[in-house]
Formats: sequence, structure tokens, C-alpha cells
Amino acid sequence: SQQGEEDPQALSIQEGENATMNCSYKTSINNLQWYRQNSGRGLVHLILIRSNEREKHSGRLRVTLDTSKKSSSLLITASRAADTASYFCATEGDSGYSTLTFGKGTMLLVSP
Amino acid sequence: NAGVTQTPKFQVLKTGQSMTLQCAQDMNHEYMSWYRQDPGMGLRLIHYSVGAGITDQGEVPNGYNVSRSTTEDFPLRLLSAAPSQTSVYFCASSRQGGSRGYTFGSGTRLTVV
Repeated sequence: SQQGEEDPQALSIQEGENATMNCSYKTSINNLQWYRQNSGRGLVHLILIRSNEREKHSGRLRVTLDTSKKSSSLLITASRAADTASYFCATEGDSGYSTLTFGKGTMLLVSP
Repeated sequence: NAGVTQTPKFQVLKTGQSMTLQCAQDMNHEYMSWYRQDPGMGLRLIHYSVGAGITDQGEVPNGYNVSRSTTEDFPLRLLSAAPSQTSVYFCASSRQGGSRGYTFGSGTRLTVV
């Protein structure tokens, strides 16, 4: 079963605006990761935040993690048309081997 | 270029046929996984491996076999293809305890008729 659930399922914004996507999960985690998938392509790793971290930045990306609420958010600032893609959160459990459990994704459309 | 290579990119099978999806990585990653992606379902884990000779089942393993004889290769075998196995398959690899997440291949789009 899916571990993560992204919200919203789809998001449409204008270039220059900020985009926020949320992810909720169910079980204890070692880390949470965000991936981007352009249409018809493989997934690209964006950022990883460990369970003992609360916030992390990478360029225009800001990720927060609240383990008490089992939730994370991904903020993309000053969006560009090239950011149009599907975004997935994935969790790595804390019970041993490293496997990822993915949510169903948020489809982001950034219009020029 | 370093990365994860999947072959073939596209494949059409008839029900009952068998085939092997190839996956190779040249980054010396310990962990490798196979996922399938279906519309509206996200990615679901089929099988994974934490090193040569060690494999285990994921969420949806039925109808698939894997083996890991070398660190580099992790083939996925469809034993007797069924229409329900029509999907896009992704192979991914990662370093143990790494902070860079998984590296994904470009996928194999499989249609079973």
C-alpha cells in the first residue's frame, strides 16, 4: 500500500509564483525524499531530509519535515515553466533495508 | 555517463510469453530496486536487493523473479506475462546510507496483449 499521500493531486500556477506540495505518511521513517518526473521520463532525486532534521534548502527548493504530524512539504520558489512535472515524496523506513515507498504524486503545471 | 541503464525502452509481449528486463549501474551502488508505475498509482516496489546474492520481495512481487549475481546488474524476469503487467518499469540504485537518494533509469514501457 502507498505510504505517502501528496496534496494537492494537481497544481496550476503562473511563472514566478511559489508552489507548495504536501506529503503525509503513516509509519516511522529514516528519511523522506522528493523526486521530480518529467512526462515520460525517469525520476530525478531533488532533496533528502532525515528524520532528525526539520528544514532543508537546495537552490529554489525548501523542504520541511514534521515527524510528530508525519508530514512534509516541498516549496518551489519563483517557479519556472521548466518546473512543470510530477513531484513525488518517498519515505525510507527505519526498520533495516533501504527501500522507498512512494506517494501518488502531485502534478505541477507552471504557465508562462 | 555514469548512471542506471535499462533495456529495452519499449516492449510488446503476448500473454504467456516470458522476458527479462535488464538493469545495469556503474556507480558501485549496493542497493538496487525495481518499481512499476501505473496511472494514478505512483510507484510500487516489486523486488529489491541490498547486495550481490541478496534479494527480497517488495509490495507487488507476484509474477516476477529477480537475481543479483553481480553488483552492477539486477535483471527482472517476467515468468508468464499477463495484461495486468502492462506498466512502466523503473530500475533504481542507491548507495547504502547515502544522502543523494536513488538514481533511476529511464524506464521500460511494457505492453502485454
